[in-house]
Amino acid sequence: DAGVTQSPTHLIKTRGQQVTLRCSPKSGHDTVSWYQQALGQGPQFIFQYYEEEERQRGNFPDRFSGHQFPNYSSELNVNALLLGDSALYLCASSAAMRGGETQYFGPGTRLLVL
Amino acid sequence: ELKVEQNPLFLSMQEGKNYTIYCNYSTTSDRLYWYRQDPGKSLESLFVLLSNGAVKQEGRLMASLDTKARLSTLHITAAVHDLSATYFCAVDSNFGNEKLTFGTGTRLTIIP
Repeated sequence: DAGVTQSPTHLIKTRGQQVTLRCSPKSGHDTVSWYQQALGQGPQFIFQYYEEEERQRGNFPDRFSGHQFPNYSSELNVNALLLGDSALYLCASSAAMRGGETQYFGPGTRLLVL
Repeated sequence: ELKVEQNPLFLSMQEGKNYTIYCNYSTTSDRLYWYRQDPGKSLESLFVLLSNGAVKQEGRLMASLDTKARLSTLHITAAVHDLSATYFCAVDSNFGNEKLTFGTGTRLTIIP
């Protein structure tokens, strides 16, 4: 049973560029959440997708957008990259109808903005 | 706005000793999670605590939740080097909708 997978593992971009990160949830999971983890800090919630809709959102600007596909996989898009967007981006999946279970995290995508 | 605080931020302890990490949060919640993170790696789920008084144990780690005090503890018994990692607590701030607010993390180093 494959766990949560993310691609790419590492990415280097320059300021002003756009980036797309991808996530496939754990088998049987239908909800995908995205988190940003800056160096030395705890992860911060960006947004969550369920049934192809953004269900809830954290305190991130509109430059951060996402999408969920019918197979439950998800993308995170960041436009007009800033140096401060450099971080580890984590995707987590869960099953909406089984409340109380933990979220399973993927290996992350490390983004460096120069 | 929900705030989650952990202490200590850094902990260096000798093998064989016991210690406790504390997680305080600022608003009502009955769902609390503990995760472990090794350097450069993702988050590994340790415990899910879903009710007041919940206690869970796995190996040398035991977690508890007091929702009235808004406090969770992660107790380490007879520490071994393999437990060296950063530990995060996270609170579900939206009553089961799984929007997690993470603590600052506790970097634990076990010294032989």
